[in-house]
Amino acid sequence: SAVISQKPSRDICQRGTSLTIQCQVDSQVTMMFWYRQQPGQSLTLIATANQGSEATYESGFVIDKFPISRPNLTFSTLTVSNMSPEDSSIYLCSVGRDTGELFFGEGSRLTVL
Amino acid sequence: AQKITQTQPGMFVQEKEAVTLDCTYDTSDQSYGLFWYKQPSSGEMIFLIYQGSYDEQNATEGRYSLNFQKARKSANLVISASQLGDSAMYFCAMREGLGYGNKLVFGAGTILRVKS
Repeated sequence: SAVISQKPSRDICQRGTSLTIQCQVDSQVTMMFWYRQQPGQSLTLIATANQGSEATYESGFVIDKFPISRPNLTFSTLTVSNMSPEDSSIYLCSVGRDTGELFFGEGSRLTVL
Repeated sequence: AQKITQTQPGMFVQEKEAVTLDCTYDTSDQSYGLFWYKQPSSGEMIFLIYQGSYDEQNATEGRYSLNFQKARKSANLVISASQLGDSAMYFCAMREGLGYGNKLVFGAGTILRVKS
């Protein structure tokens, strides 16, 4: 399995502010994925982050709202910009292995007031 | 389009008994991967088991096994000898293609409660 560390694990934020979530992996990976889980819902992919290129966003998610950085093969950040209560969710990063498995970080639980 | 269906919103099982969590999927691809994850109340997503569409043997990981019935497009999770710590939300997911580059599509989840 992969060791994936996310920070912060949880935060309470004010409406209109932005928060950056960090994801650190214990080994080099080509792709990192960011998912969102709204309260009581399943997971939805926000974007795929490749090192050295722009992230690829899923339908319904835009770079201005969820800018992503991928400076190297072990690290990525997701920023949730200009937050509203609707952004209250668990945000999870994930990485895959050549064997096919996909592993997740511990998640960052955001509450926006 | 991909689709994952988990028809059991909630399940109860007696401690030490086995339980099956249902998952059916819909895809026109021949190559795909099927996953099960456990999500406790803490929110982390714990990888349990993976099955590739070309794997002929059902995947097993300790007390977890995936009952893969390709013709029926089902990928049920079997947990043997349930423990109180198994109480959590369980998600079935599918990825088209066998590489790790494609996204996962998740089912709605099943809440499992283990009774003592």
